[in-house]
Amino acid sequence: EDQVTQSPEALRLQEGESSSLNCSYTVSGLRGLFWYRQDPGKGPEFLFTLYSAGEEKEKERLKATLTKKESFLHITAPKPEDSATYLCAVRRQAGTALIFGKGTTLSVSS
Amino acid sequence: GAVVSQHPSWVICKSGTSVKIECRSLDFQATTMFWYRQFPKQSLMLMATSNEGSKATYEQGVEKDKFLINHASLTLSTLTVTSAHPEDSSFYICSATPLASYDEQYFGPGTRLTVT
Repeated sequence: EDQVTQSPEALRLQEGESSSLNCSYTVSGLRGLFWYRQDPGKGPEFLFTLYSAGEEKEKERLKATLTKKESFLHITAPKPEDSATYLCAVRRQAGTALIFGKGTTLSVSS
Repeated sequence: GAVVSQHPSWVICKSGTSVKIECRSLDFQATTMFWYRQFPKQSLMLMATSNEGSKATYEQGVEKDKFLINHASLTLSTLTVTSAHPEDSSFYICSATPLASYDEQYFGPGTRLTVT
């Protein structure tokens, strides 16, 4: 059965304190691992899609990496505006629905 | 970037009534749209997959007669919650996959449904 597990559930950081969020997955025939950001009461905002082990993508203070079993979302020198829930999702084939993890809620204080 | 809208953004209805939620892809065509449900502090749970011009595919445990999905065009899908009950209160989110790029999926802002 396809499964996505995110850790930790919640993470509190001081502004400027870098850290990583983990997403481990089991899926047969991965066709994309997705990272989204979700603010309270809003829909998920697309961040990255990774397709193969070794791939990395960056956007501002965020960097996503992928191995055969897990993905990491690295946050460098976070700011309070980075506070949100970060969702990881996988897809088995193009055009099909995403399977989501439960998310990591990040709080960054100044 | 690709934009998906939902209407209404929030709705309050009385128990036993029906409510329709619209999902539109504003700047791209989407053969496939997805409907998710999200309870407070929980992740997104897929309810159904909607393909333009054909019947929706529902996930196990989702009542197709209660959650009616219509995907009449390449830019519009609707979800109708029939005979709503308080336990249907939730955050409903749609997403769409562009016709030109099956690897991408964009989400709408969500609709907060409260059934009293």
